[in-house]
Amino acid sequence: GENVEQHPSTLSVQEGDSAVIKCTYSDSASNYFPWYKQELGKRPQLIIDIRSNVGEKKDQRIAVTLNKTAKHFSLHITETQPEDSAVYFCAASIRGNNRLAFGKGNQVVVIP
Amino acid sequence: NAGVTQTPKFQVLKTGQSMTLQCAQDMNHNSMYWYRQDPGMGLRLIYYSASEGTTDKGEVPNGYNVSRLNKREFSLRLESAAPSQTSVYFCASSMTGMNTEAFFGQGTRLTVV
Repeated sequence: GENVEQHPSTLSVQEGDSAVIKCTYSDSASNYFPWYKQELGKRPQLIIDIRSNVGEKKDQRIAVTLNKTAKHFSLHITETQPEDSAVYFCAASIRGNNRLAFGKGNQVVVIP
Repeated sequence: NAGVTQTPKFQVLKTGQSMTLQCAQDMNHNSMYWYRQDPGMGLRLIYYSASEGTTDKGEVPNGYNVSRLNKREFSLRLESAAPSQTSVYFCASSMTGMNTEAFFGQGTRLTVV
């Protein structure tokens, strides 16, 4: 089945710097790649997603890039702020598109 | 418009007890899901319902059952709770399958002693 891995598991950045989280996936048939943000004690919420026919997508300070050949996609957060501190989950659609395989999550800590 | 609502928010069970976690969505979504979240393990799919009237096993279905009562409601039942089922449970829904935005409930923190 689909295997999604995230690196690094924990990332600390100074406020104002950029953060990059990378995910790799195994199923070449995956065609949908969302990123979810989960603040402490809260529910996961979608922050950005990308489909396989697009190489990059941007929404204000966040962007996602997709390399289908290498089977990896990355989340980029620029000008980080304390409210960006959270756990970020990447996911990839499983063949058939009724399910997602989630990575184990990255803890991002923005140091003021 | 409440989105996805789960009850209860917290629950403590004794080993062997049973309980049902309730989930309802008011977004007219077709697909609903139950996940469990454990430290360092991410979100693991227990069961899902692609559409009203269908249910399928996910990655970790053992010890659980589900019912898609109608389009709005999807319940998760633990027939005989075990300490290994201590976790945070999230219900989610999406319009059609998981290639559209999924909305999560607020979670249920379950402890089995």
